[in-house]
Amino acid sequence: AQTIHQWPVAEIKAVGSPLSLGCTIKGKSSPNLYWYWQATGGTLQQLFYSITVGQVESVVQLNLSASRPKDDQFILSTEKLLLSHSGFYLCAWSLGWGEQNTLYFGAGTRLSVL
Amino acid sequence: SQWGEENLQALSIQEGEDVTMNCSYKTYTTVVHWYRQDSGRGPALIILIRSNEREKRSGRLRATLDTSSQSSSLSITAAQCEDTAVYFCATDAGSNYNVLYFGSGTKLTVEP
Repeated sequence: AQTIHQWPVAEIKAVGSPLSLGCTIKGKSSPNLYWYWQATGGTLQQLFYSITVGQVESVVQLNLSASRPKDDQFILSTEKLLLSHSGFYLCAWSLGWGEQNTLYFGAGTRLSVL
Repeated sequence: SQWGEENLQALSIQEGEDVTMNCSYKTYTTVVHWYRQDSGRGPALIILIRSNEREKRSGRLRATLDTSSQSSSLSITAAQCEDTAVYFCATDAGSNYNVLYFGSGTKLTVEP
């Protein structure tokens, strides 16, 4: 069975501080990987996706970057946090496109920027 | 959302009632996903309907798709308290299947 693990569960950070969020997928070889952001009470906004190791595509620039250093790992980071970065960050995986593009989400990381 | 929209509303119903949530999208899509999100958790797919289907059923769920009007609906029959959640529709961008756009979501509360 596939499992997706996100870390940390929650973070409280200061404006201007760096951030690194992680996501690991086990039990699935070469999945498509995604990062989503969700404001409190809001919808999900796709930030990045990756279909292979080392390659990441940006969907929306929010002064964030992403990397895929391993087949099963996806990292979201920034050197300087903004207040607007607060929210719920969700990592997801899928098998591919169309029907196979069903997203399987992790439990998310709650980020508060103060 | 730029691509998918739902009536941004909070719906509150009594247990046993039927409910329908609507979603409209602004571009061609190959499939419409419906996800539910429980409080504090990641969304989970509950039903998926393809562009060549008009209706799809799964248990008490029924999804419809009208490609001519670019709209979809999700109905829940005989709602139960455990159906309380936020429901989102999501569509791909057509030209880029790796981008999935989510609608605004409908917060459904089912009262006992």
